[in-house]
Amino acid sequence: EFVLTQSPATLSLSPGERATLSCRASSSIRSYLAWYQQRPGQAPRLLIYDASKRATGIPARFSGSGFGTDFSLTISSLEPEDFAFYYCQVRPNSPLTWTFGQGTKVEIK
Amino acid sequence: EVQLMESGGDWVQPGGSLRLSCAASGFSLSNFHMNWVRRAPGKGLEWLSYIRDNSATIYYADSVKGRFIISRDNTKNSLYLQMSRLGVEDTAVYYCARLRDSTYSSSPYYMDVWGKGTTVAVS
Repeated sequence: EFVLTQSPATLSLSPGERATLSCRASSSIRSYLAWYQQRPGQAPRLLIYDASKRATGIPARFSGSGFGTDFSLTISSLEPEDFAFYYCQVRPNSPLTWTFGQGTKVEIK
Repeated sequence: EVQLMESGGDWVQPGGSLRLSCAASGFSLSNFHMNWVRRAPGKGLEWLSYIRDNSATIYYADSVKGRFIISRDNTKNSLYLQMSRLGVEDTAVYYCARLRDSTYSSSPYYMDVWGKGTTVAVS
């Protein structure tokens, strides 16, 4: 069974600090990984696709990296609006399903 | 403006049925594959179902297989999710989302446009 594991579950930081979120796949997914942000009461928003490409309108403080099984999302300097949930998501494989990580909550310290 | 808007969420008793709709605007739904995704209270995002642009291919998560039916009407620029035999575990906000291909292949996998969601409460 394919598994996508995010860590940590919760990240407590202050505005202006750097946040690094991790996403690990149980088998290689090459670069087929996306990251989403979900603020309370809002829809998910695409941040990163193909592991490192920023989606349209996403600020440069968000960056993605990784290949194969280990990936990370970095927020270089946290803004107040960045405190939210973050999910990684993988390209469908066999069986053909879309898989999300369990999420990381970035909260204000 | 490119938008998706879900509707049809409601309170329903266990065992009941509900039909969700997703209206697209600002783009032609016929050009895109689509997903339904939900988020239950206190839980993460869960993929539910996929439908190809021409409806030729459909997939379901095991959790909803046999109970939910995805469909679309490209002439109405709309996507649907017929839900039956609902249980308390189906309580969630339901989102429709537009799929895009990877830069490296023609396989759709990430979701670039999401609706605001519609709430289904089963109790």
